[in-house]
Amino acid sequence: GAVVSQHPSRVICKSGTSVKIECRSLDFQATTMFWYRQFPKKSLMLMATSNEGSKATYEQGVEKDKFLINHASLTLSTLTVTSAHPEDSSFYICSAIAGRASYIQYFGAGTRLSVL
Amino acid sequence: GNSVTQMEGPVTLSEEAFLTINCTYTATGYPSLFWYVQYPGEGLQLLLKATKADDKGSNKGFEATYRKETTSFHLEKGSVQVSDSAVYFCALYNAGNMLTFGGGTRLMVKP
Repeated sequence: GAVVSQHPSRVICKSGTSVKIECRSLDFQATTMFWYRQFPKKSLMLMATSNEGSKATYEQGVEKDKFLINHASLTLSTLTVTSAHPEDSSFYICSAIAGRASYIQYFGAGTRLSVL
Repeated sequence: GNSVTQMEGPVTLSEEAFLTINCTYTATGYPSLFWYVQYPGEGLQLLLKATKADDKGSNKGFEATYRKETTSFHLEKGSVQVSDSAVYFCALYNAGNMLTFGGGTRLMVKP
């Protein structure tokens, strides 16, 4: 099946710093990528949907200035957590779909962010 | 709107026991239904899917049948293994590109 690579798998940073997470589709072109946040023992919360070459669409309650999403190419989307604080600590997961006619999402392995 | 409800866990079973994880949904039209599995510390993997009523999705010994009359997509496995211990998510897709997830059910299989 299609492979989505997410990097880094774990990051620990100081409060106030910014962290960038990359999501790459390795063997297909991802017209749409999604970013989710998962709290401990909880389901996934969709943060935003990003289409290549256009601005991301954020879900209600997600701060677009805090969670910057860039989808500059058909194989790469990045999520930057700006000025991270301890409450941003979470598990972030990306997913991608191949082609506008497809609806099956392929997920990355996730990034665990810990903000000290 | 769309919603997915699945049984709360954790579900604890002994190896070789029979597994059922219930999932019901609410949606307009004809959604596609999925089960995803999340192993500890990892992202989600698509386990199986069904795209229309009465379809049965199957993979790795797991099965789920799309029941439109009961709006259900229960996950079953005849004989679980320790390696099946994970969190299982039921999800639906209904137009657009977004998935609606259930809350997840943690399965723990003891030797």
